[in-house]
Amino acid sequence: AQSVTQLGSHVSVSEGALVLLRCNYSSSVPPYLFWYVQYPNQGLQLLLKYTSAATLVKGINGFEAEFKKSETSFHLTKPSAHMSDAAEYFCAVRYDAGGTSYGKLTFGQGTILTVHP
Amino acid sequence: EAQVTQNPRYLITVTGKKLTVTCSQNMNHEYMSWYRQDPGLGLRQIYYSMNVEVTDKGDVPEGYKVSRKEKRNFPLILESPSPNQTSLYFCASKGPLGNYGYTFGSGTRLTVV
Repeated sequence: AQSVTQLGSHVSVSEGALVLLRCNYSSSVPPYLFWYVQYPNQGLQLLLKYTSAATLVKGINGFEAEFKKSETSFHLTKPSAHMSDAAEYFCAVRYDAGGTSYGKLTFGQGTILTVHP
Repeated sequence: EAQVTQNPRYLITVTGKKLTVTCSQNMNHEYMSWYRQDPGLGLRQIYYSMNVEVTDKGDVPEGYKVSRKEKRNFPLILESPSPNQTSLYFCASKGPLGNYGYTFGSGTRLTVV
């Protein structure tokens, strides 16, 4: 079964500092990987996705993530945090192995990012 | 505008009173799914549907029902809600195989007292 682990339920950074949110997945087949952001009292917004093309994926709002197969990781980074980045971030994985797994997104537990002035 | 529309956005109800949360998409997507979001647990799939009249259980289906009579609509039904179903619910739809994009609704915050 597919699974996703986000290390750290809460991450706190200062404005201007590096943001690093960690995500590891379990997989027996090549996965598709996603990062979503949820601002307070809002729905889910796609930040970026990995679909087996370039291993370094650039997303919106200056975020990027690198797919590392050897480490089964897909960590999210941003060089310089902004106050508006404060939100909850979810890593998700999907496999197109067919059958009942088709289309299913499996989410990590979420990481709440706090940005201090 | 391509979107998934859920209603209501907020709902407070009492234990045992049947309720339905509606979900509608205007993208002609075949795949639709319901998730619930709980603190520290992320989003977990309740039910999904790969096409009209084809539905199946996700990871946490107990206490829920769904139906898919038309492609655009995928309502979530709680026949006898209980307090442990207090949660934030999201409906999502996805395009055909090879299309990686999911579209999520704005969410329904349900409180069962």
